[in-house]
Amino acid sequence: SAVISQKPSRDICQRGTSLTIQCQVDSQVTMMFWYRQQPGQSLTLIATANQGSEATYESGFVIDKFPISRPNLTFSTLTVSNMSPEDSSIYLCSVGTSVYNEQFFGPGTRLTVL
Amino acid sequence: DAKTTQPPSMDCAEGRAANLPCNHSTISGNEYVYWYRQIHSQGPQYIIHGLKNNETNEMASLIITEDRKSSTLILPHATLRDTAVYYCIVRVDMRSGAGSYQLTFGKGTKLSVIP
Repeated sequence: SAVISQKPSRDICQRGTSLTIQCQVDSQVTMMFWYRQQPGQSLTLIATANQGSEATYESGFVIDKFPISRPNLTFSTLTVSNMSPEDSSIYLCSVGTSVYNEQFFGPGTRLTVL
Repeated sequence: DAKTTQPPSMDCAEGRAANLPCNHSTISGNEYVYWYRQIHSQGPQYIIHGLKNNETNEMASLIITEDRKSSTLILPHATLRDTAVYYCIVRVDMRSGAGSYQLTFGKGTKLSVIP
């Protein structure tokens, strides 16, 4: 299995600012995914980030709001830009590999925007 | 990906088997059935997956009907630590090169294990 860490684990931010969330994996993985989980809701996929290519965003999510970097096979960042209280959620990193046919999830970053 | 239908909540007595149903009547021939669970304030945890044969691992058993339109996740001896939201998801094999590997989460079943 893959072990995933995220930084920060939680943060409280002011409206209009930006936060960058880091996702580190203990092994090389092909696919990385970023999900959002709003309070009391299920997980929603934001984007898929494969190394060496531009991130693919799901409907309702745009690059200007959620820019993603994927510089290598073990690391990715998600930035939540120009935050508003509606961005208060848990943001989760997930990884996938064709070897395992399953996905592993990080512990999440709990974001509160005031 | 095919959609799934799960009951919103279930209770199970500690030590008894928990049987969580899932309907996936529009599943395609190349789609697997996956089960994940999310314990409060944690990231989802993979449990088990299968294509058409029944599967068992150290956590659970997965029973898939012959027509593949429904399945049941079985936790043989539920403990208080099994209290979580359980998600049934269908998706293509990530090793197939078939394209999208995203997991589409529904609302899941909130399982409460009662002492």
